[in-house]
Amino acid sequence: DVKVTQSSRYLVKRTGEKVFLECVQDMDHENMFWYRQDPGLGLRLIYFSYDVKMKEKGDIPEGYSVSREKKERFSLILESASTNQTSMYLCASSFLASQETQYFGPGTRLLVL
Amino acid sequence: GDSVTQMEGPVTLSEEAFLTINCTYTATGYPSLFWYVQYPGEGLQLLLKATKADDKGSNKGFEATYRKETTSFHLEKGSVQVSDSAVYFCALSRYNQGGKLIFGQGTELSVKP
Repeated sequence: DVKVTQSSRYLVKRTGEKVFLECVQDMDHENMFWYRQDPGLGLRLIYFSYDVKMKEKGDIPEGYSVSREKKERFSLILESASTNQTSMYLCASSFLASQETQYFGPGTRLLVL
Repeated sequence: GDSVTQMEGPVTLSEEAFLTINCTYTATGYPSLFWYVQYPGEGLQLLLKATKADDKGSNKGFEATYRKETTSFHLEKGSVQVSDSAVYFCALSRYNQGGKLIFGQGTELSVKP
């Protein structure tokens, strides 16, 4: 069975802290994605990776960075958390072609105080 | 740029009612179209997809037809159940950007017994 896991379901951090969100997939997918989900805005792409050590900015990369050292793992880093980064963060993975299905993790709900 | 527009929610229906959730898109080229569903407390999962004009995607009693002439991909179900209560997202694959999706804002469906 297809599996995308995220390191935490809920996280509470303070303003200015460095935050790491981890995502692991077991399907040997080339693509991995980080989205944030906010009410009324749908999902917005933060960063995207199509191979190990490769990354591309999505639509809202400001304040975020990513790391992909192994094919199965994609990390999202908030260098200095701010209250406007309070959100639901979703990781997804897929094979390389454009019509391929994306498989999502359960999400991490992050609260920045 | 490419975009997806969904009908606003929340939508509240009685069990066994007919469901339509409208989705229209603007896109370059010939995107694939998707409906994803998010049940409470979970990540997104693929409900159905269509990869070319006039294709019909179907799953779990839900259907959607890729209409190029009206740039639409409306989701329908003949008889909804309480278990269909969820948030539904329409999405399209970005032209020539292997695997990236653009999502609509989501439509929350609540089905009452």
